[in-house]
Amino acid sequence: KQEVTQIPAALSVPEGENLVLNCSFTDSAIYNLQWFRQDPGKGLTSLLLIQSSQREQTSGRLNASLDKSSGRSTLYIAASQPGDSATYLCAVKPGGSYIPTFGRGTSLIVHP
Amino acid sequence: GAVVSQHPSRVICKSGTSVKIECRSLDFQATTMFWYRQFPKQSLMLMATSNEGSKATYEQGVEKDKFLINHASLTLSTLTVTSAHPEDSSFYICSAREQGAYYGYTFGSGTRLTVV
Repeated sequence: KQEVTQIPAALSVPEGENLVLNCSFTDSAIYNLQWFRQDPGKGLTSLLLIQSSQREQTSGRLNASLDKSSGRSTLYIAASQPGDSATYLCAVKPGGSYIPTFGRGTSLIVHP
Repeated sequence: GAVVSQHPSRVICKSGTSVKIECRSLDFQATTMFWYRQFPKQSLMLMATSNEGSKATYEQGVEKDKFLINHASLTLSTLTVTSAHPEDSSFYICSAREQGAYYGYTFGSGTRLTVV
C-alpha cells in the first residue's frame, strides 16, 4: 500500500528565506506527483504536477523535483513571503489506480 | 487551466434535514470525481469515488445511505447528506480528474457544513 510522508509537519520562518519541503513515498510505481496548497477553510490549489518521466517542474518562485527511484520529491520555495503561509500537500497517483494518496501536509508560516 | 466549481461554500442546516452539495467541472469532462471530508487541522479523508453513470464506490466506514453521491454527467457530481446530525458538521471537498493517466487532480473550493 502506497504511503506518503511529508517532513516537516510544521515550519515557521522569517520572510525572505528559501525553503525546502519534503515528500517521500513508499512505492515508486507512480504516474505522477502533484503539489498543492491549502489555505485555511479553502479547497486545494494545484501548484505543480510532475510526471513520472520528469525530474522537475518550475512555476515562478516554486520548483518541485522528483526522484522516482528513491521515492522522493521536494518543493523549493524561493524568497518566501507572508502570503506563502498555508498548508502544502503532496499527492501521488499510483500506477494502476486513479485514487491519489496524500501526505498529511506541511503547515508553513512565514512571518514578516 | 482546469476549474472545479463547488457550491454552496457554506451551509447551515437543522438536524434531520438533508443538504445537497454540487461539484462541477467547468472546462473539462471529469470521468472520475472524488469526495473528501476534512476535520479541523487534519488531512483529507476520502469518502467515495464516483464515475459518470455508475454507482459510487465508498470507502470503508462511510455510510452509503447517509452520503448519497450522484455522478449523472461528465461535468456534475452531487453529494447529499441525508438526515444530517451535528456530527456530520465538517468541511467537504470535491475533486475531479480528466480521463488519462497523466492528468492531475483539480479541487473545488470546499463546503463548510454546520448542522444545528
